[in-house]
Amino acid sequence: GQQVMQIPQYQHVQEGEDFTTYCNSSTTLSNIQWYKQRPGGHPVFLIQLVKSGEVKKQKRLTFQFGEAKKNSSLHITATQTTDVGTYFCAALSAAHNAGNMLTFGGGTRLMVKP
Amino acid sequence: DTEVTQTPKHLVMGMTNKKSLKCEQHMGHRAMYWYKQKAKKPPELMFVYSYEKLSINESVPSRFSPECPNSSLLNLHLHALQPEDSALYLCASSQGPFGNQPQHFGDGTRLSIL
Repeated sequence: GQQVMQIPQYQHVQEGEDFTTYCNSSTTLSNIQWYKQRPGGHPVFLIQLVKSGEVKKQKRLTFQFGEAKKNSSLHITATQTTDVGTYFCAALSAAHNAGNMLTFGGGTRLMVKP
Repeated sequence: DTEVTQTPKHLVMGMTNKKSLKCEQHMGHRAMYWYKQKAKKPPELMFVYSYEKLSINESVPSRFSPECPNSSLLNLHLHALQPEDSALYLCASSQGPFGNQPQHFGDGTRLSIL
């Protein structure tokens, strides 16, 4: 089945530093979603990217979809302790026989030191 | 606040017990999902119900039995579980059964098998 690789697995940053997580697929994607899961919580939908080269911003968060629609990134500027959690990408393959369900990446766990 | 309600929040059961997990949403969503999530891992899709019919069963053992009584409710019946089934069980819903729809997750049921 489709595999979605996410790096890094863990990231420790000092509060105020920037943070980026990357999501890579070997196949072309139809769309990609990003979710945040706080410790002890449940995944919460952040955003969906559909178009090649798309860039979307939510306050300090910037989401990008690669030109080839095979990779995506989430960048947080000036991290805060409220950003702590695990960030998952979830991708839908564009392949005809891939089904229509999302495949989750392994997640990047962000820890912020105050 | 979550718009998908799961009960119970915690469940401890023996390997010979029978129990059920419940999920409810009132957003008019027509797709509902069960996921299993182990610690520090991404959610793993188990079942998908689309318009109250089971559309995807990701090779889940028969000791897990899903049920969708109506468009707002989703149950997961548990019987003769194994210790390795201990995990967080997440219910989610989306407007339609497609991977281009955001998924709304409940808080989950934290299940421990003795």
